[in-house]
Amino acid sequence: AQSVAQPEDQVNVAEGNPLTVKCTYSVSGNPYLFWYVQYPNRGLQFLLKYITGDNLVKGSYGFEAEFNKSQTSFHLKKPSALVSDSALYFCAVRGTTGNQFYFGTGTSLTVIP
Amino acid sequence: DSGVTQTPKHLITATGQRVTLRCSPRSGDLSVYWYQQSLDQGLQFLIQYYNGEERAKGNILERFSAQQFPDLHSELNLSSLELGDSALYFCASSLKTGYNEQFFGPGTRLTVL
Repeated sequence: AQSVAQPEDQVNVAEGNPLTVKCTYSVSGNPYLFWYVQYPNRGLQFLLKYITGDNLVKGSYGFEAEFNKSQTSFHLKKPSALVSDSALYFCAVRGTTGNQFYFGTGTSLTVIP
Repeated sequence: DSGVTQTPKHLITATGQRVTLRCSPRSGDLSVYWYQQSLDQGLQFLIQYYNGEERAKGNILERFSAQQFPDLHSELNLSSLELGDSALYFCASSLKTGYNEQFFGPGTRLTVL
């Protein structure tokens, strides 16, 4: 079965510290992996994606993510968190042998000033 | 602003009724996706259309249906509404499909009383 898991419902980090939001996946074939961010009362916004190639992907607003095939993970990272990064983050996956998209349950990130 | 528009923004209706949600994709995008977001179910993929044809189907109830018109706008029809259908419904669009990132609309908040 294809799925994506975000093991942490809530992540708190101090402003200026590095942040990590975790994501693991299970998919048929090679994965297409995405991170999206949702601010209150807004639609989701695309941050970055992994399709193929370099395992370290850089995206918007200083975010990056590392694809790890052996651990089936795609963790979102940022070297220095900002208060404005506080939002709900979703990992999503689509397998190359299917057309459905699967979203994680979301991780609420709070950056503490 | 993602370029994806959804109407109406809010919708309040009664159980047993039927409603239609409308989505206009970004200019040039051929794929349209529909999602349901609720507190207990998270973000659920409902259905995808590509250039007028159904491409993928997710957890969409039989009471729900969708279509994509020749001008590429899409409508999601929800019938025999139940209290549990109250949720935020998002439309997203992408250039083609698969590995293209999706751009989300602001959502339609449906409340069934």
